[in-house]
Amino acid sequence: DAKTTQPPSMDCAEGRAANLPCNHSTISGNEYVYWYRQIHSQGPQYIIHGLKNNETNEMASLIITEDRKSSTLILPHATLRDTAVYYCIVRVTLGTGYALNFGKGTSLLVTP
Amino acid sequence: GAVVSQHPSWVICKSGTSVKIECRSLDFQATTMFWYRQFPKQSLMLMATSNEGSKATYEQGVEKDKFLINHASLTLSTLTVTSAHPEDSSFYICSARDGAALSGNTIYFGEGSWLTVV
Repeated sequence: DAKTTQPPSMDCAEGRAANLPCNHSTISGNEYVYWYRQIHSQGPQYIIHGLKNNETNEMASLIITEDRKSSTLILPHATLRDTAVYYCIVRVTLGTGYALNFGKGTSLLVTP
Repeated sequence: GAVVSQHPSWVICKSGTSVKIECRSLDFQATTMFWYRQFPKQSLMLMATSNEGSKATYEQGVEKDKFLINHASLTLSTLTVTSAHPEDSSFYICSARDGAALSGNTIYFGEGSWLTVV
């Protein structure tokens, strides 16, 4: 799987948009970008994933650059409950044996 | 979204005993399940991959005789920590792959199980 690079920590004011960047310059054509988050002492929670088009769901938006070498997860209106470690993972989606390999992620702190 | 349930959420056991952790996919069939371990302030570390009806594949450095994994059905996998020692104390997390086409092979995680060996 392609390696990803994320800033170790970020702050965001409550109610503002949180934009979390991820670099994956060695991504292959068949690799998807996945985002998960882990709130303290809980299992990771799936947020969103995409291949090359921008994606949006009820939780967040995923913006992938045209060359696919980087992406940004956007939480449009951050709340205190969004404080968590956010993981950007690149993975081939097809096949049964492909686990998610977690890096260190970005620790997002949402402040009042 | 899809639900993966782990039990127990936390367990304390004596050194030298064995403890079993269950992982269930509640609303989908999981042909593949994964087990992770996470130490405080560290990221998740993949321990093993299990496919229903076959032997688990362990990551390098993970003792298969110590961490027994059974994936007997499409909705249940178990991790048994045998002869537990204090250094096995950790947060154990399972995940399951939803193989349905519409899910895009998304992987969902359980709530995690805290193991403390005293």
